[in-house]
Amino acid sequence: AQTVTQSQPEMSVQEAETVTLSCTYDTSESDYYLFWYKQPPSRQMILVIRQEAYKQQNATENRFSVNFQKAAKSFSLKISDSQLGDAAMYFCAYRSPQSGGSYIPTFGRGTSLIVHP
Amino acid sequence: ETGVTQTPRHLVMGMTNKKSLKCEQHLGHNAMYWYKQSAKKPLELMFVYSLEERVENNSVPSRFSPECPNSSHLFLHLHTLQPEDSALYLCASSQDFLPSSPLHFGNGTRLTVT
Repeated sequence: AQTVTQSQPEMSVQEAETVTLSCTYDTSESDYYLFWYKQPPSRQMILVIRQEAYKQQNATENRFSVNFQKAAKSFSLKISDSQLGDAAMYFCAYRSPQSGGSYIPTFGRGTSLIVHP
Repeated sequence: ETGVTQTPRHLVMGMTNKKSLKCEQHLGHNAMYWYKQSAKKPLELMFVYSLEERVENNSVPSRFSPECPNSSHLFLHLHTLQPEDSALYLCASSQDFLPSSPLHFGNGTRLTVT
């Protein structure tokens, strides 16, 4: 079974600084996708960034980028120029085909990011 | 209206009540999910429907009963719940069989069982 591990229950960062959230996963699949989701206090979880496993180039979305190390099964999220609005719970997720063809995602436990002004 | 809509936002119910949570998506997705989110616990997948067929039932107690009448609507029927069932219940949708498709979540229903 696939597992996703987020070893940092909580991280903090000063406004305008850079922070990296870690995520590792375990799989025997070669074809899969990885995602980072953000859940602010308003509760709605939204997609931050996604990475295709067969692409070596790291995905970037404005101030958010990933460091994808396929061999190490590592998928960290870097937030540059942190803003107060980045404060949220961040979830790492993995998605690959299951038996029967459905793609049921697996989530990590989440990392709570605190941004200090 | 677009996105995933969950109702109600908040629900307080006694242990002997029967209530239902509703989820509706306007994204044209073919898969819908129920998750339970409790404090200090990982996100728990409860049920998955793909093309209106249940494809996952993650050892959820029978006091939770899902229903997916069509690809746009998902219900979670609740009866004789326990206080430990108090949690945030999240609905999500995605395009199944398309691995790049992320999940789109609703705002959740905060359930309190008294």
